[in-house]
Amino acid sequence: AQSVTQLDSQVPVFEEAPVELRCNYSSSVSVYLFWYVQYPNQGLQLLLKYLSGSTLVKGINGFEAEFNKSQTSFHLRKPSVHISDTAEYFCAVSDAGDDYKLSFGAGTTVTVRA
Amino acid sequence: DGGITQSPKYLFRKEGQNVTLSCEQNLNHDAMYWYRQDPGQGLRLIYYSQIVNDFQKGDIAEGYSVSREKKESFPLTVTSAQKNPTAFYLCASSILRAAGANVLTFGAGSRLTVL
Repeated sequence: AQSVTQLDSQVPVFEEAPVELRCNYSSSVSVYLFWYVQYPNQGLQLLLKYLSGSTLVKGINGFEAEFNKSQTSFHLRKPSVHISDTAEYFCAVSDAGDDYKLSFGAGTTVTVRA
Repeated sequence: DGGITQSPKYLFRKEGQNVTLSCEQNLNHDAMYWYRQDPGQGLRLIYYSQIVNDFQKGDIAEGYSVSREKKESFPLTVTSAQKNPTAFYLCASSILRAAGANVLTFGAGSRLTVL
């Protein structure tokens, strides 16, 4: 099973500033990669996914992520955040041959301040 | 609108009691999953089911049980054998694909507190 590391547990950021959330995973075998967002006391909502093809993936709400196979990373970025982006963000990985089991990182809490 | 309904949203339990969390989906998804979320630990897989009347243990199945008698329903029972049951529980579902990723759709969660 994959091991997923989100390098920052808390990221404070000012409104309209850029943000980057870092995610590394353990194995370089063929993988599927996901970012989910969770607002307080709610379930998870899919932001974006990488299955194959272009390494730059665009998602909802202006987020994008870049898959780097050699560095086994899948960092999430947004060029200008809003107050409404305050939430917890989870990186998740599955092996392409065993994609019923999704491994999640510990999460990164983003707090956007005015 | 299609989606996943979890109930109850909040639940309190005394030590030694079993409790069952409900999960219903109307997405016609084949697979269903239960995850446990604890602060700073992300999500951990408890059980999953790909087909009716069949399910598999995840990474932390001890102290939990499930059933899958209907395609749309996947209840989770937290038994008295679970040593630390206070947590946020998330149910999810996905279409099973012959090729390509199974993208999970999540319910809103159930927060269980043991008093």
